[in-house]
Amino acid sequence: DAMVIQNPRYQVTQFGKPVTLSCSQTLNHNVMYWYQQKSSQAPKLLFHYYDKDFNNEADTPDNFQSRRPNTSFCFLDIRSPGLGDAAMYLCATSGGSTDTQYFGPGTRLTVL
Amino acid sequence: SQQGEEDPQALSIQEGENATMNCSYKTSINNLQWYRQNSGRGLVHLILIRSNEREKHSGRLRVTLDTSKKSSSLLITASRAADTASYFCATDAGTNAGKSTFGDGTTLTVKP
Repeated sequence: DAMVIQNPRYQVTQFGKPVTLSCSQTLNHNVMYWYQQKSSQAPKLLFHYYDKDFNNEADTPDNFQSRRPNTSFCFLDIRSPGLGDAAMYLCATSGGSTDTQYFGPGTRLTVL
Repeated sequence: SQQGEEDPQALSIQEGENATMNCSYKTSINNLQWYRQNSGRGLVHLILIRSNEREKHSGRLRVTLDTSKKSSSLLITASRAADTASYFCATDAGTNAGKSTFGDGTTLTVKP
């Protein structure tokens, strides 16, 4: 089945230790998104790719970077995680003739 | 601030009752979508309503859109315990392909 996959589902890192979260999709969608969601809050868009074009939200900290080496994969790099970066990170895709976003199951990041 | 605001923040009902959630937004939109999120999981798309539509149905779901009031409602009829989840509205202003802004969500609890 076509889907959005996130690995790992749970990630524990130490304060200041770089971490990379990955997302892959089999939907062949041209848009991929990364969201940060803290407990009981709305998903907050960090950035998105429209094909290879990178679009960063104005309030996304510099600590957060992203790479999209090809259509299927997108990575979220957190260069120096702080305690405030502990959250659920959601990857989503959209494309084709609808604006619907298809979400992965998320990666729960814990920062010790 | 988020484009969408949802009301109520939390809703608790008995199985079989109807649940109504409301979403208000601030600027003109191309479409509005409703998503569901089970605890600790990714979001699942429920329904999309375009700015030129006033009402849509999908199974037990009914969504209305009033662009003059900049508001939308999601009605779940004959609720089930399995409907327990958080529900988010997301608005697409059409200014950036596929980019949606999420509201803060309504947490629905359906008691068996």
